[in-house]
Amino acid sequence: NAGVTQTPKFQVLKTGQSMTLQCAQDMNHEYMSWYRQDPGMGLRLIHYSVGAGITDQGEVPNGYNVSRSTTEDFPLRLLSAAPSQTSVYFCASSYRGGALGYTFGSGTRLTVV
Amino acid sequence: GQQLNQSPQSMFIQEGEDVSMNCTSSSIFNTWLWYKQDPGEGPVLLIALYKAGELTSNGRLTAQFGITRKDSFLNISASIPSDVGIYFCAGQKRKETSGSRLTFGEGTQLTVNP
Repeated sequence: NAGVTQTPKFQVLKTGQSMTLQCAQDMNHEYMSWYRQDPGMGLRLIHYSVGAGITDQGEVPNGYNVSRSTTEDFPLRLLSAAPSQTSVYFCASSYRGGALGYTFGSGTRLTVV
Repeated sequence: GQQLNQSPQSMFIQEGEDVSMNCTSSSIFNTWLWYKQDPGEGPVLLIALYKAGELTSNGRLTAQFGITRKDSFLNISASIPSDVGIYFCAGQKRKETSGSRLTFGEGTQLTVNP
């Protein structure tokens, strides 16, 4: 099993550009989430989904959009990149309720200049 | 914002020493999770705790779910160089209508000197 796959691993954007971070999981997990990791702040939840067609906002949703058209995929869209969005982004998935913990991808390191 | 206070922020220890770190919260969680993150990788689950007072071990790692459900601690015994990394606690509250969400601590950076 590939687990949770994130692409790209690294990306540099100019301020104002848009892009989509891809996340795919092959474990048939219902729950998927996006986090950003900044130094000294742990991981903060951006958006999450409890199943196909259902998404909700997390702690820091501004400037990001998500959609969940299939169980496997949960892309994160940056609408107009800003330097404050420079961060490492992690996608995670879990079975219903997350009782067995979340499985994380290896991350996308994004720099906005 | 963040609801979990994790301490210490960093630790520098000698190989063979024991390590303790903890997380506290102002609110109750129904599940506590401990993760380790290696450089350039995503967090990996170490231990999951589901009941207040529960004590669970995974090799040299031992974690406990606090009785008040507002805290948890992680111990690592006889540390080795590959224990180096960032350790995160995470709490989970269950909402039947909106699913479960993880709240993370700020992390403890562990350095082990051989």
